[in-house]
Amino acid sequence: LAKTTQPISMDSYEGQEVNITCSHNNIATNDYITWYQQFPSQGPRFIIQGYKTKVTNEVASLFIPADRKSSTLSLPRVSLSDTAVYYCLVGDTANNAGNMLTFGGGTRLMVKP
Amino acid sequence: GAVVSQHPSWVICKSGTSVKIECRSLDFQATTMFWYRQFPKQSLMLMATSNEGSKATYEQGVEKDKFLINHASLTLSTLTVTSAHPEDSSFYICSAETGATEAFFGQGTRLTVV
Repeated sequence: LAKTTQPISMDSYEGQEVNITCSHNNIATNDYITWYQQFPSQGPRFIIQGYKTKVTNEVASLFIPADRKSSTLSLPRVSLSDTAVYYCLVGDTANNAGNMLTFGGGTRLMVKP
Repeated sequence: GAVVSQHPSWVICKSGTSVKIECRSLDFQATTMFWYRQFPKQSLMLMATSNEGSKATYEQGVEKDKFLINHASLTLSTLTVTSAHPEDSSFYICSAETGATEAFFGQGTRLTVV
């Protein structure tokens, strides 16, 4: 499984757009990029997943450059409730092997009023 | 999405006793479930892979005789922490194989051993 590197922490203010970048230099051809959100004392929750270019859903966008060695999770107009730890994971989820996940350190996002 | 439920959400037990944590898939069948452990301010660490009808596969460094895993049905896996000690206090989280490309996690169980 490809190793990922993320900033340990980030601070933002309500209403701002937050971009969290993840490096995964050893990503394999079959690997997908998946982001999870975890609140204190809760299990992680799926946010978004992508393979290349751009993916957008109702809560976030995921930008993946052509070389796929990094990805950026974009959270538009964050609120206090977006304060959480965000994990970037890379794995061959298409074959369900990605369900056995290897978590990196994650990014602790603090949204301030 | 798929629903995975853990029980209990939190438990306090005395040192030396055993604690059982349940992980259920509520609206689907899961032949494989995963157990993670998370210490404060740290990331999730995979402990073991639970397979229905067969023995669990443990990650390196995880004592299989201490963390007993039973996956007797397609909707239930249990993790029993035997002879618990304070250093076993942690947040235990399960997830289930769903056939989808994203994983679904239980809400976690906070174990405190006193």
